[in-house]
Amino acid sequence: DSGVTQTPKHLITATGQRVTLRCSPRSGDLSVYWYQQSLDQGLQFLIQYYNGEERAKGNILERFSAQQFPDLHSELNLSSLELGDSALYFCASGGYRGKGELFFGEGSRLTVL
Amino acid sequence: GDSVTQMEGPVTLSEEAFLTINCTYTATGYPSLFWYVQYPGEGLQLLLKATKADDKGSNKGFEATYRKETTSFHLEKGSVQVSDSAVYFCALSLGEYGNKLVFGAGTILRVKS
Repeated sequence: DSGVTQTPKHLITATGQRVTLRCSPRSGDLSVYWYQQSLDQGLQFLIQYYNGEERAKGNILERFSAQQFPDLHSELNLSSLELGDSALYFCASGGYRGKGELFFGEGSRLTVL
Repeated sequence: GDSVTQMEGPVTLSEEAFLTINCTYTATGYPSLFWYVQYPGEGLQLLLKATKADDKGSNKGFEATYRKETTSFHLEKGSVQVSDSAVYFCALSLGEYGNKLVFGAGTILRVKS
């Protein structure tokens, strides 16, 4: 158990819809990272938050947005969903300084039909 | 930009065989290097790490040495087990935005009994 909790574990929705994925980081971790894992793109970094502020942005589409709340949980919002958005979305948490490891949740599997 | 290249899989071995999964990286600074493992239906778990040149990371019989001169971090295990069947990801972190990880494409390992 990594200590990172993601909900929901599975989600099936239709094209054009909007979904929200939730992540609770490991106790004490201020940073949250979102990654997308798909068969053709591998593991892609989407976005990072530190203590409520956005710190780094990767390959995140404009249709996607995220935020980190005062209690440090984070939400990833995916809108106007397309078939190609079907993927496993991982949340990870870790410290901010240094180059240490990240702790990953079990992921949210999104299927867009 | 910063990137990680891993050998393509799947790699299929018999139990007790020797394992090598090659990983090379390109980075503008001096990264920390990691191997993560993903078992079926689970999130990523840190397997081992090395933070500077010539460091050797080891865990559960797996080893990898940080080779700056060849920009490599190859994963090895002397005798694999069926339970080692998983996807292995090589990753680097430069720490300029905390612990953001750049991942390789992943290598599927299948061990037959």
